[in-house]
Amino acid sequence: EVQLVESGGGLVKPGGSLRLSCAASGFTFSNTWMSWVRQAPGKGLEWVGRIKSRTDGGTIDHAAPVNGRFTISRDDSKSTLYLQMNSLKTEDTALYYCTTLKSSGKGYYFDDWGRGTLVTVSS
Amino acid sequence: DIQMTQSPSSLSASVGDRVTITCRASQSISSYLNWYQQKPGKAPNLLIYAASSLQSGVPSRFSGSGSGTDFTLTISSLQPEDFATYYCQQSYSTPPYTFGQGTKLEIK
Repeated sequence: EVQLVESGGGLVKPGGSLRLSCAASGFTFSNTWMSWVRQAPGKGLEWVGRIKSRTDGGTIDHAAPVNGRFTISRDDSKSTLYLQMNSLKTEDTALYYCTTLKSSGKGYYFDDWGRGTLVTVSS
Repeated sequence: DIQMTQSPSSLSASVGDRVTITCRASQSISSYLNWYQQKPGKAPNLLIYAASSLQSGVPSRFSGSGSGTDFTLTISSLQPEDFATYYCQQSYSTPPYTFGQGTKLEIK
């Protein structure tokens, strides 16, 4: 059974930093593209970033609103995905989901999801 | 970036109704379109990928259609557990992987 368990969320002041973790199990993590998706309270879904598998080049991309502030990374030896968040803004307040990103042959879809970890940015 | 627009934003329907939700892309995305269902307090769940392929384990009352810029998600006969929020997501020109704003399906 696939499990994705996020941790590291909490309350942080504007300008602060936080590192989220996602512990994965039940699948071959090293071969899997991974992503972070967030959801502000009462709002819709927003893609945050993606990291390809090492065999596919390990390419990293981030959404424009977080580019230069957030960094996604992975440790395949620990089957763990990370999101380093710096220079946090109030608008970064959201539930952050860790997801697998799979190919359908016609694009990519977010397959497995964790339960999310809540990040609140407030003074 | 490709923008995704869903309509309606909210919808009231009754158990047994046939319901259609529409998603429009700002440019052609071929069939690179996915649909998700999200229930309150839960993570989203993939329903349909590649516009019309039903994800394993998803009831057959759910179906997807469309290509190019216009897509639909249809629920043939609403069940009580289907009341949720639905999102479309494009993966044609990525990144970014953009979502529609969501359609909240409520009980009439």
